[in-house]
Parts: sequence; structure tokens; C-alpha cells
Amino acid sequence: EVVMTQSPATLSVSPGERVALSCRASQNVGSNLAWYQQKPGQAPSLLIYAASSRATGIPARFSGSGSGTEFTLTISSLQSEDFGVYYCQQYNNWWTFGQGTKVEIK
Amino acid sequence: QVQLVQSGAEVMKPGSSVKVSCKTSGGSFSRDAVSWVRQAPGQGLEWMGGIIPSFGTASYSKTFQARVTIVADESTGTVHMELSGLKSEDTAVYYCARSRGYYSPYDYWGQGTLVAVTS
Repeated sequence: EVVMTQSPATLSVSPGERVALSCRASQNVGSNLAWYQQKPGQAPSLLIYAASSRATGIPARFSGSGSGTEFTLTISSLQSEDFGVYYCQQYNNWWTFGQGTKVEIK
Repeated sequence: QVQLVQSGAEVMKPGSSVKVSCKTSGGSFSRDAVSWVRQAPGQGLEWMGGIIPSFGTASYSKTFQARVTIVADESTGTVHMELSGLKSEDTAVYYCARSRGYYSPYDYWGQGTLVAVTS
């Protein structure tokens, strides 16, 4: 099983700040990496797939990078609606998720 | 427009089994993969297993494989997930999610089904 590790667990951020979330895979997953956002009481929603491609309707302030075992989700200027929990997921070998990074208001 | 609509909340006794359904529409039911993902209260997302209806056979996470069964009904476009031997720790929201086959991310999710296990 591919283990996904995200850091940090929690990030306290002010609106307008740049944010970088990290995700590490226990083995090479190529570019088969997605990022999801989840808000309280809602199902997760797809932000990024193939490590760096934005899903339909996702603003350009969200970007993904990396390949192999190290990945980053960057939010260039955090907006109020961006607070929530972010999960990375590998889909190279079935599917596994990281434990999530909570982005909260500072 | 792809939609996944799940069955309603359940309250179950320890040791019993629960069956949760996910009715899909708008996609290619035979070729899409439908997975089940669990989220315990305040916790993260955990893949339980998935199926591509045209393949017939489901694949399961090692964590759940002894207790979970996933089947697809092509006549109704519905995927069912049954979890047996329920324990209080199985109290969670269970989501179904669609991907375009294996090796793809989840682009559509169901609304989630709360399963509460309590004596």
C-alpha cells in the first residue's frame, strides 16, 4: 500500500497570504496525484489532478507541482472561501489519501 | 451531468451489517469506477474498495477486505456497499465517488451517508 504523508497538519494563515502544502508518497506514484478540498459537512471536491492540472472551474490561484514522491499544492493568495481541509491522493496503485492539512484563519 | 445519489442515514447495532447504495447517472456506468471512502468523525478519508461494473470483480483495501462487499447492479446503475461485523469505530460518513476507470482521480462524489453504530 502506498502511504501518503502530508505536512503540516494545520496551517494558520491570513487572507492574501501565499500557502504551500506538502505531500509525500512512500513510493513513486509518477504524476498520478490529486488534491481535494473539503469544507465542513460537505464531500471533498477535486482541485488538481495529474499533479499539476486544475480541475474544471478551479481558480488559477491554485497550482500543483511535483512528481514521483514529492508534491506541493500552492495557493498564491488565500481567499476567505479557501479555508478548509486539503487532502492529497495517489491513484497510481488503487487509491490512498494523505491525512489532510487544515487551513484555518489566523 | 454526472450525479451520485446515496441512500439515507442508518443507525445500526454492533455486530450487524449495513448496506449503503449509490445510484449513478450521467456517466458511463460500465466503464467508470465507483469507490467507497470512509470518513470517521473529525478524521481523514480512507479508501475502502472500488468496482468497475464491466469488470465485475471489486478490489478492496486490506483494512476492510474481510468485512466489505461491493457489488454493481448494471440494470439500475447502482453500486452497493455492505459492511459486516459493525463496531462502534465504524461510525462514520461513507461516500461513494466516481473515477474514469482505475488510475484516475475522483471527479464526482455522492453526498455521503452517515452510519451510526450504537447499542
